[in-house]
Amino acid sequence: QVQLQESGPGLVKPSETLSLTCTVAGGSINNYYWSWIRQPPGKGLEYIGYIFYSGSTNYNPSLKSRVTISVDTSKNQFSLKLKSVTAADTAVYHCARIGYGGWFLDYWGQGTLVTVSS
Amino acid sequence: EIVLTQSPDFQSVTPKEKVTITCRASQSIGSSLHWYQQKPDQSPKLLMKDASQSFSGVPSRLSGSGSGTDFTLTINSLEAEDAATYYCLQTRSLPWTFGQGTKVEIK
Repeated sequence: QVQLQESGPGLVKPSETLSLTCTVAGGSINNYYWSWIRQPPGKGLEYIGYIFYSGSTNYNPSLKSRVTISVDTSKNQFSLKLKSVTAADTAVYHCARIGYGGWFLDYWGQGTLVTVSS
Repeated sequence: EIVLTQSPDFQSVTPKEKVTITCRASQSIGSSLHWYQQKPDQSPKLLMKDASQSFSGVPSRLSGSGSGTDFTLTINSLEAEDAATYYCLQTRSLPWTFGQGTKVEIK
């Protein structure tokens, strides 16, 4: 069964760039779409964007000017960069796989809390 | 952007009772609606894909139905392990959007 694991700094200063990596284990990153979702503490879920293993992307318009999602197939990883962060970007960030043959998120990482604070 | 509205926001239920959670879309999304269960400090887990297809390992007491704008997640004979927050997700139109969540508590 595929497993996803987020990694990256848990604390980012305002105006800086949040950088996270999702490592995929137990399966290949090839032939799938991969996504980032975030969840502010005590709140609901927000779609950030997705990437195909070949590199094509889609971003939520509400974040599009600040977000970049990239993929490294040689490392079986994909990454998220969110620039110019503020306290409103404090959230648990989840990576997830988009199911084969459909548009649903079937497997998720455990999530990682990123706090934006000076 | 498609808005998903879940009801109720909160439900307190005794074991073995039936639970019904609804998700209404602001416009038709066909069957591109999926249900997730999230327990505290855990990531969401897929329950139903495409409105009514159970995901691998999901107990048969959970079922989904609906199409267009109105969808339902039903839990027959609630068990203690079903205490969680449930979310719907639409993937018919970008950006994908989630419902606000329904918290189910066991009395």
